[in-house]
Amino acid sequence: GQQLNQSPQSMFIQEGEDVSMNCTSSSIFNTWLWYKQDPGEGPVLLIALYKAGELTSNGRLTAQFGITRKDSFLNISASIPSDVGIYFCAGPRNSGGSNYKLTFGKGTLLTVNP
Amino acid sequence: DVKVTQSSRYLVKRTGEKVFLECVQDMDHENMFWYRQDPGLGLRLIYFSYDVKMKEKGDIPEGYSVSREKKERFSLILESASTNQTSMYLCASSLSWSPLHFGNGTRLTVT
Repeated sequence: GQQLNQSPQSMFIQEGEDVSMNCTSSSIFNTWLWYKQDPGEGPVLLIALYKAGELTSNGRLTAQFGITRKDSFLNISASIPSDVGIYFCAGPRNSGGSNYKLTFGKGTLLTVNP
Repeated sequence: DVKVTQSSRYLVKRTGEKVFLECVQDMDHENMFWYRQDPGLGLRLIYFSYDVKMKEKGDIPEGYSVSREKKERFSLILESASTNQTSMYLCASSLSWSPLHFGNGTRLTVT
C-alpha cells in the first residue's frame, strides 16, 4: 500500500532558527496535508496542498507540493517555543473515491530550546 | 469551527474488560474515523465509517469493533481489552473531500 516516509524523525533547534522537514512516497499523491500535534492534543491541520508545484504559506510556515507529486516539504521560519510538537504529513489513499482515508507519515518531533 | 469531542481524556482498564470509547462531532460530517497513535508508528487507522450504520476496516481492526447508530456519534469498542491495546486513540471526522478534523484523544492504559 501507499507509505509516506517522513524525515527527520526528530529535531532539536534553538529559538529563531529555521526548520525544514519533508515527506516522500513511492506513490503519487493528489493532495498533501501537513498537521501539527501539540503535546496532549489531537493533530490540527496546518496547510493543505492540492496542485503539483504549489507553494503555500500560513504565517511562518511554508509548504510545497513536489512537482513529481511524490514529495512535499514543510518549512518553519524563525522558530519560537510554541512550535514544539509533532508534525505529520498525510495524503489521501483513494483520490477518486467518495471517502477520505488518509495515510500518515510517522511524524517529526520538533523541540525548540528558548 | 468543527468540534470533535472524545468523552474521556484518560482511561485505565483491566485486561479482559469491555471498553467503549465515544466520539461526537457537531458539523454533520459523513465520515468518521478511529486511529491509534503509538511512538515510532505514527497514526494507524483502525476503522472508519462513511455513513450511519456503515463501517469499513482500516489497517489494524483486530481486537476492535465500532458502532455508528447516529451520524454525529462513532464508538470504538474493545471487546476484551489487552495490554497491547494501551495507546492514544484519536477520533476524527470529515466531509467527503475535506481534510480530517481530530479530537483531543483518549489515552487508554490497560493493566
